[in-house]
Amino acid sequence: GQNIDQPTEMTATEGAIVQINCTYQTSGFNGLFWYQQHAGEAPTFLSYNVLDGLEEKGRFSSFLSRSKGYSYLLLKELQMKDSASYLCAVTNSNYQLIWGAGTKLIIKP
Amino acid sequence: DADVTQTPRNRITKTGKRIMLECSQTKGHDRMYWYRQDPGLGLRLIYYSFDVKDINKGEISDGYSVSRQAQAKFSLSLESAIPNQTALYFCATSDAGLDTGELFFGEGSRLTVL
Repeated sequence: GQNIDQPTEMTATEGAIVQINCTYQTSGFNGLFWYQQHAGEAPTFLSYNVLDGLEEKGRFSSFLSRSKGYSYLLLKELQMKDSASYLCAVTNSNYQLIWGAGTKLIIKP
Repeated sequence: DADVTQTPRNRITKTGKRIMLECSQTKGHDRMYWYRQDPGLGLRLIYYSFDVKDINKGEISDGYSVSRQAQAKFSLSLESAIPNQTALYFCATSDAGLDTGELFFGEGSRLTVL
């Protein structure tokens, strides 16, 4: 089967750094997405990785290792508004998008 | 105004009733999708359409049907709603497709089937 694994919940402190991991087993790979979803709202796009390495975009960075089936999302200088769920999704060889269940990130003052 | 609009935003109905969720977009995208989201599960694709008159089943299409009336409109129907269809439903659009294009989601329609 195909699955995406990410932690259910994480807690971090305002101003700190947090890393959210995602591991995947899919039939082929054609890219990995990270989305942010605030409670009761729509997911919004954060990043897309298709090659190995780190993609940096302001306070957020996303890393991919295709050989390890692994990605992480790194959030720096955490703010209270970063409290949300973070969804990892992988496009497989049939261009189907497989979604993880999401990681709920709780930011404490 | 939102680029991807869903109606209704909330709906409570009874088992056996017919329900339609509507989605309209102003982004000019050809590709539209319907997903459902349940607690503890990833988003699951119900149906998708790459153009008017193009309809494709997703991983959980049983019990659902769709209609692509125009490029901007994609509606989801539950012909006879059942309680396990209680979920948060999202419509989404994309420009480049599932492989490289990001998805733009509507605000969601929360459906409760009693």
